[in-house]
Amino acid sequence: DGGITQSPKYLFRKEGQNVTLSCEQNLNHDAMYWYRQDPGQGLRLIYYSQIVNDFQKGDIAEGYSVSREKKESFPLTVTSAQKNPTAFYLCASNTGQAGSPLHFGNGTRLTVT
Amino acid sequence: AQSVSQHNHHVILSEAASLELGCNYSYGGTVNLFWYVQYPGQHLQLLLKYFSGDPLVKGIKGFEAEFIKSKFSFNLRKPSVQWSDTAEYFCAVKRGYGGATNKLIFGTGTLLAVQP
Repeated sequence: DGGITQSPKYLFRKEGQNVTLSCEQNLNHDAMYWYRQDPGQGLRLIYYSQIVNDFQKGDIAEGYSVSREKKESFPLTVTSAQKNPTAFYLCASNTGQAGSPLHFGNGTRLTVT
Repeated sequence: AQSVSQHNHHVILSEAASLELGCNYSYGGTVNLFWYVQYPGQHLQLLLKYFSGDPLVKGIKGFEAEFIKSKFSFNLRKPSVQWSDTAEYFCAVKRGYGGATNKLIFGTGTLLAVQP
């Protein structure tokens, strides 16, 4: 079955360490996205990529970095510069066409202590 | 700034009750509108969407939503809820000038609990 795989499901890190969250899709989608979900705040866009080797900042990109070297992969690095990294991170993808719905992964819950 | 408001944060209903979840947005131009649902332990999935045409759209599992442009609203409805509708529901809005869903703005979500 096609879908989006995020790993790991739970991740724990010490403050000051960078950590990379994995996102892989086999839907042959051109566009991929990273959202952060916090209680009472909905989903906020961190970064998105509409095509390989290109990506743009979303609304809350500070303290995060991404790469898009392959169509199927869009890893997110949470750097030590992110002031409040503990959150639930969701990866999504779509065809990139107008109105194309997002397909979401199951998410990664990151806890930084 | 463009925003999406979901006024009900928690809704508790009994089975067979009718449901209406409010969604209002602040952008005045052409918009695409979506409702996503997240069942317990599952990933977010599309419930329904409005792109153009008939403002009353029907989605999966008996849900429907009506786009009322004059009220900047896209409320979600279901005539008779079931216990299996227990989930978190997110309204989302995108400016309709084409391109990827790259600036999809989500509401804060409504947690629906249906009591058997």
